[in-house]
Parts: sequence; structure tokens; C-alpha cells
Amino acid sequence: SQTIHQWPATLVQPVGSPLSLECTVEGTSNPNLYWYRQAAGRGLQLLFYSVGIGQISSEVPQNLSASRPQDRQFILSSKKLLLSDSGFYLCAWDRERNQPQHFGDGTRLSIL
Amino acid sequence: TQLLEQSPQFLSIQEGENLTVYCNSSSVFSSLQWYRQEPGEGPVLLVTVVTGGEVKKLKRLTFQFGDARKDSSLHITAAQPGDTGLYLCAGPRNAGNNRKLIWGLGTSLAVNP
Repeated sequence: SQTIHQWPATLVQPVGSPLSLECTVEGTSNPNLYWYRQAAGRGLQLLFYSVGIGQISSEVPQNLSASRPQDRQFILSSKKLLLSDSGFYLCAWDRERNQPQHFGDGTRLSIL
Repeated sequence: TQLLEQSPQFLSIQEGENLTVYCNSSSVFSSLQWYRQEPGEGPVLLVTVVTGGEVKKLKRLTFQFGDARKDSSLHITAAQPGDTGLYLCAGPRNAGNNRKLIWGLGTSLAVNP
């Protein structure tokens, strides 16, 4: 069966510090991968998605970047965090369009 | 622009009550998905509805897709505290090779014992 792992579960970082969140998927190959941010238990904002190694599409201009160095690894990064980067970050995967997405347990990021 | 509007935004009820939440759009969707998200966790898929007028049941949860495939509803019978969570609907964007889902903002449900 397929599983998705996301870490860390919580993170507290000072303003201006770098960020690296990692997501890995097991049990499938060539997944589509997604990074979302969710504010205050509400809807999901798509940040990045990837259909293959090295292929990243950005949805909104922001202080974050994403990379996919391996087929089942997706990384969310920042060089200098802002207060506005606080939130709940979710990684997800699917195989085909119109198929449901499967989510990790998320990372709660607090910027001080 | 395709949008999904969910209502109500918040709902607090007593255990044993029935409730309905809605997911509406002015656009046609090829399918709609319903997810439930508990605090501190990622959303988990409940059901996908594909055919206009389709009704799917998942124990005490009944999902309906509108005939015109522009809206969907979720009805919960005899709600239990375990039903507490954020209910999200999502649908695929109507674009050729676009893999992105459009998400509603969710209905936050609290079932009090």
C-alpha cells in the first residue's frame, strides 16, 4: 500500500531563518506531488505541484520554493522566513487527474 | 473562474442531530470529492461523486451530486462526536492537462456530546 511521510510535525523558527520541509511517498511511482498551505483550519491553498523529477510549477508568488530531487521526494524550502509564512503545510500525492489526493499529516510552522 | 462555495462555514450541534452541508458552484464539475480533516492531520477522502444525480452512502453519511453537476451535499444522520472535523469539497479544474484541484473553504463541524 502507498504511504506518505511528512516531517517534522511541528517547527518553530525565527524570522529570517531558512526552512526545509520534506515529504516522501512510498509504494507508488511517478506520483504527482503537491504542497499546500492551510490557514486557521480552513481551505487549502496550492503552493507548488510537480509531475516529475525536477519539474516544479508554482501557483503563487511567495517567499518559498520547491524541489523534487527524486521521484518520490518533494521538498519545500525558504532562504529567509517571514512572519507571514506561518501556517499548516500539507504534502499530497495522486496518480492521475481526477483521482483523489492523499495527504501527509502536515507540518505546523510557527515563525517568531 | 471556477469556485466552490461551502456552507455553512461553521456548525455546532448536539449528538444525535441530523445535518446537511453544501458545496455549490456556478461551474460544472466532472466530479467532486469530499474530505474530512481532523485537527493536526491531513484531509482524508470520504467519497467521490461522478454522475449527475448520484447518491452515495457511507454509513450515516449520504452524499449527493446535483443533476447538473454544479453542486453537492453531505447529509449526516444522528451525528456523533467522532464526526467532528473540517469537511472539504474539491473538484478537478476544467482544463486540458491541468492536474490541480479546486478546493472549497470547508465546513467546520462540532458535534457536542
